[in-house]
Amino acid sequence: NAGVTQTPKFQVLKTGQSMTLQCAQDMNHEYMSWYRQDPGMGLRLIHYSVGAGITDQGEVPNGYNVSRSTTEDFPLRLLSAAPSQTSVYFCASSFRMGTEAFFGQGTRLTVV
Amino acid sequence: EDKVVQSPLSLVVHEGDTVTLNCSYEVTNFRSLLWYKQEKKAPTFLFMLTSSGIEKKSGRLSSILDKKELFSILNITATQTGDSAVYLCALTHGSNYKLTFGKGTLLTVNP
Repeated sequence: NAGVTQTPKFQVLKTGQSMTLQCAQDMNHEYMSWYRQDPGMGLRLIHYSVGAGITDQGEVPNGYNVSRSTTEDFPLRLLSAAPSQTSVYFCASSFRMGTEAFFGQGTRLTVV
Repeated sequence: EDKVVQSPLSLVVHEGDTVTLNCSYEVTNFRSLLWYKQEKKAPTFLFMLTSSGIEKKSGRLSSILDKKELFSILNITATQTGDSAVYLCALTHGSNYKLTFGKGTLLTVNP
């Protein structure tokens, strides 16, 4: 019962470095999304995908790229890390749009 | 602009108390309202509501939606220390069913 798997769990980056946060789900869900969670700000949507090959921007997309080449995987790329991107990142998936979202365990990212 | 507003932002109660958490919203093309509980890690699903006036219940937790007045409440009766968590309200809305979260209510239940 893997569900939604995120890697890594923790990461420290230097300003300007790039990296990819991985997200994989084994539930054959069509809908996947990335959120960041900051103190006092709740969960904010970065990017989402309604199916393989289809992605769209959320509330805070700047500085992040995504792609969805398969149903299972939805990686999030930080192009040039900035201290403002220090946050906890969650990936989520849903069987179909508008239904219960299942979350990964999160990635705590620190940019120094 | 789409908004999901939760109140109160934080709440401290004693075991056995009953609490009511509020979620009001303004979104375009409402699809559903969801409640989540977040302890240390990932949010876990509690309820999904799509119709007004129909109570969803699970043990000591219950929730109801009012689509006319644009709000939902989450009730927890006979609270326990294990209920201590952040409770998140989220809306799916729009043509692509975006999921927008409120900032959450931090509930602390003291023994």
